[in-house]
Amino acid sequence: GAVVSQHPSRVICKSGTSVKIECRSLDFQATTMFWYRQFPKKSLMLMATSNEGSKATYEQGVEKDKFLINHASLTLSTLTVTSAHPEDSSFYICSASPEDNQPQHFGDGTRLSIL
Amino acid sequence: GEDVEQSLFLSVREGDSSVINCTYTDSSSTYLYWYKQEPGAGLQLLTYIFSNMDMKQDQRLTVLLNKKDKHLSLRIADTQTGDSAIYFCAESYSGYSTLTFGKGTMLLVSP
Repeated sequence: GAVVSQHPSRVICKSGTSVKIECRSLDFQATTMFWYRQFPKKSLMLMATSNEGSKATYEQGVEKDKFLINHASLTLSTLTVTSAHPEDSSFYICSASPEDNQPQHFGDGTRLSIL
Repeated sequence: GEDVEQSLFLSVREGDSSVINCTYTDSSSTYLYWYKQEPGAGLQLLTYIFSNMDMKQDQRLTVLLNKKDKHLSLRIADTQTGDSAIYFCAESYSGYSTLTFGKGTMLLVSP
């Protein structure tokens, strides 16, 4: 149980394009999901906390207008990288937990490459 | 602030035991996790331990927690080449709260 699915797994697109990444909880409902960014050979950096039915909470230094988060249902959160540029190229991973007393599970990540 | 530290690299031979160490600073941590990341993949939850436990064993994996010293370790018995990956130590207050990660330990298993 507790499967988190991310789509797409890899995206390559031109500079200036907006890219949407989906994070789904397949067998549980998730009122809260987390979005992380991972640079090569680095640890995960929390970008934002996605809350179902309300605005996301962004970490300091993360541009809200650049990284749009929508959590419209209990099983889906989306991260849209708007007007992407090469510096936005990274590995984006989401996570969620089925219960407060259970650990978080991660999606397989999305490799975003902006040319 | 919260901080999680772990050694960056460990190299072992196939069949040996591997021990990856981690220290954390937040005494309110309730959950302590070990995640495995293979190249180009997401994070796979290997095991986790509650802060009121000293040890947890799951097949080849043994987690030891010294709460007094805020020290966590992951022992992998009979390490295989397929265990080569980056191992992240992480802590959180609950399943719904944010995780604080260490920088990851790269485990290299040679035949």
